[in-house]
Amino acid sequence: DVKVTQSSRYLVKRTGEKVFLECVQDMDHENMFWYRQDPGLGLRLIYFSYDVKMKEKGDIPEGYSVSREKKERFSLILESASTNQTSMYLCASESVWGSYNEQFFGPGTRLTVL
Amino acid sequence: RKEVEQDPGPFNVPEGATVAFNCTYSNSASQSFFWYRQDCRKEPKLLMSVYSSGNEDGRFTAQLNRASQYISLLIRDSKLSDSATYLCVDPGGTSYGKLTFGQGTILTVHP
Repeated sequence: DVKVTQSSRYLVKRTGEKVFLECVQDMDHENMFWYRQDPGLGLRLIYFSYDVKMKEKGDIPEGYSVSREKKERFSLILESASTNQTSMYLCASESVWGSYNEQFFGPGTRLTVL
Repeated sequence: RKEVEQDPGPFNVPEGATVAFNCTYSNSASQSFFWYRQDCRKEPKLLMSVYSSGNEDGRFTAQLNRASQYISLLIRDSKLSDSATYLCVDPGGTSYGKLTFGQGTILTVHP
């Protein structure tokens, strides 16, 4: 079974802090994604990566950056956390082999910025 | 107009009922779609794909109407365990990569 893990289930940070969210997948998937999920807005793509050291902006990249130094690990960085970044953050991975793109999600990190 | 739009519900149905959700999309280039299921406080998981020929998997049937740009999901003989949020997803005409999610439709099946 594909396993996607995220470093924390719950995180509380203060405004202005630098925040790191880590995601690791164990299936050698090429593509990895970071989403945030908010009530009434659904899942929105922040950044994705299709290879080591490669990254692409999603729909809402402002205030975020990412790092992918190893194939299995994709990190989301909030350089200076703000209250409007309080959200559920979901990481996903996807293989480019096969007939269509099933994305496998981690359990999510609920981040609260005070 | 949102790229993928769903009726958020909630839909409250008794066990054994048949329930249907619709989803509209704006990208006319998209030729296939997905339904993901998200249980309360859990991550989304792929439920089924849907192409122009439709797709049936047990009690679940998904259909695509490209002329009217909507996708439907029909659940027959609802079970308590079907209670979840159902997410309509547009892969945007690509095989891999960026997915666009609807906001989800909440289904509650009660005894």
